[in-house]
Amino acid sequence: AQKVTQAQTEISVVEKEDVTLDCVYETRDTTYYLFWYKQPPSGELVFLIRRNSFDEQNEISGRYSWNFQKSTSSFNFTITASQVVDSAVYFCALSEPSGSARQLTFGSGTQLTVLP
Amino acid sequence: DGGITQSPKYLFRKEGQNVTLSCEQNLNHDAMYWYRQDPGQGLRLIYYSQIVNDFQKGDIAEGYSVSREKKESFPLTVTSAQKNPTAFYLCASSGGQARETQYFGPGTRLLVL
Repeated sequence: AQKVTQAQTEISVVEKEDVTLDCVYETRDTTYYLFWYKQPPSGELVFLIRRNSFDEQNEISGRYSWNFQKSTSSFNFTITASQVVDSAVYFCALSEPSGSARQLTFGSGTQLTVLP
Repeated sequence: DGGITQSPKYLFRKEGQNVTLSCEQNLNHDAMYWYRQDPGQGLRLIYYSQIVNDFQKGDIAEGYSVSREKKESFPLTVTSAQKNPTAFYLCASSGGQARETQYFGPGTRLLVL
């Protein structure tokens, strides 16, 4: 069975601080995908990044960066120089291949509050 | 604009009533999904559909039903058998070259009167 753990329920930082959101996963599949989504107060989930299990390169996109370490089953997300607009719930997710549909297993989310 | 629409934004259900949540996509995606989100929790899969006229139960299908008569549409019915329906419901779709990535609609919040 697949499982995603986001141990940090809530994090508060002051604007311009860096913050890292942790994600640890469990799976028996050798091929899988990991995702991060952002859920602002409006409720819609916004896709941020997808990483497949064969690509352990870290990725940077503006102020966002992701660290994928297969050895520790972790896929952590760092926001550099945080801004108030980054305040949201962030979800890490793991996909299970199932034909043409991919079932996602979500973590419980981390509520990030960036204070001005 | 391409995307996923869900309606209504808010829905109220009376005891013993069935209600239907709408989900439409114009992304030409083959697969569609319904998730339920409870406060402070992650999303749980209710049903998914890989293709028209086919759908599969997810982790929490009891008390729900779906249909997939058109590629663009995947309505979810919350039946009276669902004893705790108050939640935020999110629809998603996936397909094309990045078929492993699901894109989400804005959600419907269901409340019980």
